[in-house]
Amino acid sequence: SQTIHQWPATLVQPVGSPLSLECTVEGTSNPNLYWYRQAAGRGLQLLFYSVGIGQISSEVPQNLSASRPQDRQFILSSKKLLLSDSGFYLCAWSRGIGSYNSPLHFGNGTRLTVT
Amino acid sequence: DQQVKQNSPSLSVQEGRISILNCDYTNSMFDYFLWYKKYPAEGPTFLISISSIKDKNEDGRFTVFLNKSAKHLSLHIVPSQPGDSAVYFCAASATDSWGKLQFGAGTQVVVTP
Repeated sequence: SQTIHQWPATLVQPVGSPLSLECTVEGTSNPNLYWYRQAAGRGLQLLFYSVGIGQISSEVPQNLSASRPQDRQFILSSKKLLLSDSGFYLCAWSRGIGSYNSPLHFGNGTRLTVT
Repeated sequence: DQQVKQNSPSLSVQEGRISILNCDYTNSMFDYFLWYKKYPAEGPTFLISISSIKDKNEDGRFTVFLNKSAKHLSLHIVPSQPGDSAVYFCAASATDSWGKLQFGAGTQVVVTP
């Protein structure tokens, strides 16, 4: 069966510090990978998605970047955090190219607080 | 622009009764619709989905109805149980969108004894 791991679960970082959140998927190959953010009291906003190694698409302009160095690894980064980067970050995967109508499966998220 | 809307931020229902959650969408290209359940400090869990070629899909206590002409879908939970207390998100995607889901803002469901 497929599993998704996301860490850390919580993180408190000062403004201006760097960020690295990591996500890995097991039990599947060539998944589509996604980073979402949930701001307090709001829905989930898609930040980045990837259909393959090194292929990253950004959905919204922001202070963050994403990378996919391996097939089942997805990293969310920032060089300098802003207060507005606080939120709940979720990694997700779905079956890849050629698999239509496939649900996304989410990790347990990272609660990021920028102070 | 919010393409998926859940206009009820909260819903309170008595244990054993039916919970009905509503969702509206604006993008006519959406052809796949999903419901997720989320507990605090956890990721959303996939509940049930429906493609645009159907108007109903049922899985145990959960049934999703799709009205394409009205661009409306609903989730029925029967009977409601205390463990159903959570935030429910409606989501939608289009076939050519690489699986990207657009989410509604969520509805907080509280099931009371």
